[in-house]
Order: sequence, then C-alpha cells, then structure tokens
Amino acid sequence: GQQLNQSPQSMFIQEGEDVSMNCTSSSIFNTWLWYKQDPGEGPVLLIALYKAGELTSNGRLTAQFGITRKDSFLNISASIPSDVGIYFCAGANTDKLIFGTGTRLQVFP
Amino acid sequence: DAGVIQSPRHEVTEMGQEVTLRCKPISGHNSLFWYRQTMMRGLELLIYFNNNVPIDDSGMPEDRFSAKMPNASFSTLKIQPSEPRDSAVYFCASSFPLTGGPSSYNEQFFGPGTRLTVL
Repeated sequence: GQQLNQSPQSMFIQEGEDVSMNCTSSSIFNTWLWYKQDPGEGPVLLIALYKAGELTSNGRLTAQFGITRKDSFLNISASIPSDVGIYFCAGANTDKLIFGTGTRLQVFP
Repeated sequence: DAGVIQSPRHEVTEMGQEVTLRCKPISGHNSLFWYRQTMMRGLELLIYFNNNVPIDDSGMPEDRFSAKMPNASFSTLKIQPSEPRDSAVYFCASSFPLTGGPSSYNEQFFGPGTRLTVL
C-alpha cells in the first residue's frame, strides 16, 4: 500500500537539543497528522493540521502543513528523555489515514 | 473511558492454526479500523467499518483474512489458516466519523495492539 516518506529514519540527540523531522508525499492531502508511538503501545495523536500553510503548536511541539499540501514538518524543542519513541506522520483525505515510514527518536541525557 | 480494548495482547500460535483478534472500540465511536504493523511495511490499514458496515477492505492481504463487526461495541479479525509471514502487531482504532467538509477530521484512537507470532 501507499506510504509517505519520512526523514530522517532515526535520530540520536542529546537532551535539550531541538529536533526536526519531515514527511513528503506524491499525493495531496487535506489533513496532516503527527502521531507518537511508545514501545508496546499504539500511536497517540500529537497534532492535527487542516489547512495548507497552517502552523500549529502543542507545548514543545510545532507542526506545519506544507503549502503544496504534499508535505509536513514536525519540530520538537528542548528535547527531554520522554520524547523517545517513534514519530509517524499521516495524511488523510477521507476516513483513511496513510502513514509515514516513521522517525525513531533516541534522546540521551 | 477505558479507551480501545484489544485482546489478547500477545498470541503465539503454530502455522495453520486459526487466530482470532478482538477489539472493543470507544463507546460512541462508530468508525473502526484494523491496522497491521511490521518493520518491513510499517503501519498498514487492513479494513475499516462505519456503523458496523465494512467500507474498504482493499488492505486485507488475502482470503485467509476476514473481519466482522456484529455490533457497535465489538469487532474481530480472523486469520485462517495462519502463516509465519502474518507475524506482526495488529492494532484496532476507533473514531467518530467525518462530520463533513474537507477540513473535518476525527481523531483515531488506537488500542494497545495484539502482538501475533506464528511459528
């Protein structure tokens, strides 16, 4: 099935550093979402974006809906150890979500 | 609210056996989704239901897989016969349906998943 391209695949950073990851698609989406998955758990929604160009924040997280509707970015500022996990983007035009390949984040104290 | 409930959390079975995974969506949600997650293929949508009716099963790998939703509070995903390549984590998610308009979206809440190992 279709998957969105996420980069980087993995990141190893020091606590306190900022993090950036992005997601690209060959198709246009009306909604972009970012999920985080902790080990042994299901994905949890972090941020939802509904309009091209929209910039939305949730605490230390900021996400943007690309103007072309084919990409999205997620930034995490001042990372902490509990930010560890896998981050997935997802695009949607209907009820269905198309997920990205994931970015695995490791934070060292 | 207890969230989406899945059972069992872990299942180990032998090739050829029938496997049944269960899901209880969040009360009031009338859309239900079954996903499969593997290292190689990531998160894939298998099938989803609106108001207990299957809407899109194009992600179901083959005839060995079947899913039912007999009522608003219960769904099953069955694999018969199971094969080693079916080993994966299977997630169920539920949401309210789209309320309308291209800017509407209702968050999908995921269950904890069932880790299936077929030997």
